[in-house]
Amino acid sequence: KQEVTQIPAALSVPEGENLVLNCSFTDSAIYNLQWFRQDPGKGLTSLLLIQSSQREQTSGRLNASLDKSSGRSTLYIAASQPGDSATYLCAAASGNTPLVFGKGTRLSVIA
Amino acid sequence: NAGVTQTPKFRILKIGQSMTLQCTQDMNHNYMYWYRQDPGMGLKLIYYSVGAGITDKGEVPNGYNVSRSTTEDFPLRLELAAPSQTSVYFCASSYRTGADQPQHFGDGTRLSIL
Repeated sequence: KQEVTQIPAALSVPEGENLVLNCSFTDSAIYNLQWFRQDPGKGLTSLLLIQSSQREQTSGRLNASLDKSSGRSTLYIAASQPGDSATYLCAAASGNTPLVFGKGTRLSVIA
Repeated sequence: NAGVTQTPKFRILKIGQSMTLQCTQDMNHNYMYWYRQDPGMGLKLIYYSVGAGITDKGEVPNGYNVSRSTTEDFPLRLELAAPSQTSVYFCASSYRTGADQPQHFGDGTRLSIL
């Protein structure tokens, strides 16, 4: 059974810092790894999707990497801004089974 | 574009009451999902559907029922509300499952059972 873990649970950084969020999964036979953003009181917004054949995906200041052999993915945020404050969740898709989510990392960027 | 729409946004129920959470999507997605999110936890899958007329259980289906009569709609029904069902419920959809399809989420229904 796939299990997804995110560390740290919460993170506070000053504006302008580069930061890394970590995600680990137990079953390396995944189809894709997705990163989502959740703002308070809102649903999830898909940020990046990395297919199993890919090593990384980039969108603006965000870069997500995938290492299936070690069961790890990272989300790198460059030059963080207060508007980046949110909870970030990763989720792994295996075969035709639905996504398995981590508990998320709550990020606060302080101006 | 509306995307995934959930109604109501908030609801308070008494123990033993029943209700239906509505979800509709306008993206012609085949796959639809219901999750619940408890404080400090990730999302847990309740039920999902791969197309009209087809539904399947997720990780936490007990106490819930679903139906999928059209591509657009995927309602979630609570028959006998219990305090353990207090949660935030999210509906999501995707064109298909697989390697390259992200899920699109609604804004959630916040449900309290008292």
